[in-house]
Amino acid sequence: QQQVKQSPQSLIVQKGGISIINCAYENTAFDYFPWYQQFPGKGPALLIAIRPDVSEKKEGRFTISFNKSAKQFSLHIMDSQPGDSATYFCAASKTSGTYKYIFGTGTRLKVLA
Amino acid sequence: KAGVTQTPRYLIKTRGQQVTLSCSPISGHRSVSWYQQTPGQGLQFLFEYFSETQRNKGNFPGRFSGRQFSNSRSEMNVSTLELGDSALYLCASSLESRGGGYTFGSGTRLTVV
Repeated sequence: QQQVKQSPQSLIVQKGGISIINCAYENTAFDYFPWYQQFPGKGPALLIAIRPDVSEKKEGRFTISFNKSAKQFSLHIMDSQPGDSATYFCAASKTSGTYKYIFGTGTRLKVLA
Repeated sequence: KAGVTQTPRYLIKTRGQQVTLSCSPISGHRSVSWYQQTPGQGLQFLFEYFSETQRNKGNFPGRFSGRQFSNSRSEMNVSTLELGDSALYLCASSLESRGGGYTFGSGTRLTVV
């Protein structure tokens, strides 16, 4: 019940295209869903996060879509750029009680120039 | 504003030795969490400290321990190192202990030989 399943494992997108990464969770007590971007040799950096009271959140070219009934959320990267090539992790946590992130397994994105 | 600082960046240790890793959180952040990142297991939660108290602990053996000082700086210690402890150890800090996004450091790359 603590797992967060992330897909695809890797993704290749042409410059200017849309990158879509999906995550599914099991624990309905999760109420905070962040996405992180990690470049080689660096720690993960928070991109965007959403809470289950909204179905979509947009920040620049990055959008999270959230489907509470399906227990799924996804990251959309519009107008993908070569500089977006990185590994992306979704995560889920509870903001009460035991607070820790359960991370997805990561998606390695490559944007071709 | 300085980010999360982890030292050292790289470490090579021999099986059976012990190691101490250090983390300085962002100024004003009182919550510090530690994660282990490996290619096989992904990002796994180790423990979280808030105001010098361990609030949560992940499913790691007792060889993994940590502490937090009054200035919020944190250390983690691994005793009797095993080859499987080779990983990137990431420290993350947050302003609130609940509901806020983590800011990760760049990590300490530990290699056990």
